[in-house]
Amino acid sequence: EVQLVESGGGPVKPGGSLRLSCAASGFTFSRYSMNWVRQAPGKGPEWVAYISSSSSDIYYADSVKGRFTFSRDNAKNSLYLDMNSLRAEDTAVYYCARGGFCSGNRCYYSYFDSWGQGALVTVST
Amino acid sequence: QLVLTQSPSASASLGASVKLTCTLSSGHSNYAIAWHQQQPEKGPRYLMKVNSDGGHTKGDGIPDRFSGSSSGAERYLTISSLQSEDEADYYCQTWGTGGVFGGGTKLTVL
Repeated sequence: EVQLVESGGGPVKPGGSLRLSCAASGFTFSRYSMNWVRQAPGKGPEWVAYISSSSSDIYYADSVKGRFTFSRDNAKNSLYLDMNSLRAEDTAVYYCARGGFCSGNRCYYSYFDSWGQGALVTVST
Repeated sequence: QLVLTQSPSASASLGASVKLTCTLSSGHSNYAIAWHQQQPEKGPRYLMKVNSDGGHTKGDGIPDRFSGSSSGAERYLTISSLQSEDEADYYCQTWGTGGVFGGGTKLTVL
């Protein structure tokens, strides 16, 4: 059974930093791309970032580009999202979500076929 | 620009069927989409992927009551024999230069 478990959420002041982690199990982690998706209170989901299986390709939503850094450790079956210069509008539940299967340098499109339970990040004074 | 459009709300009676629609923006009618369900106070759950030819691939454990189909730029999610636990928000999603979500449809089971 695929399992994704986020950790590291919590309160942080504007301008501060936070690191989210996601532990994966139940599938061959190193063969899949992965994503972070967030959901602000009362809003729909918003894609945040993508990383290919080998970390060769990393993409970000314009809203977080230059402030967030997405990385992975295939030996530890883990993802990391380093969030800097946090703003009130970054307040959301952050989910890690599985992307497409990767073969060589090619990854199939992400349709988020498994989600974690989410980690709440609250940016406030 | 790749955009997914959903009606904000839908309703149907317990035991009935409902068909939710997701419309792809002009020039993107060949894109596949995924449907995700979000029950109150829970995280999203993948239901299925729907291709442009109407073929669909469901996630593990998704009941047969849920099915997908396509027509042109429209992708559908049909839920039959509605149950109270089907009351939820339903989001369609696709992939362009990143993930793209529709605005969601809030389904009320009467």
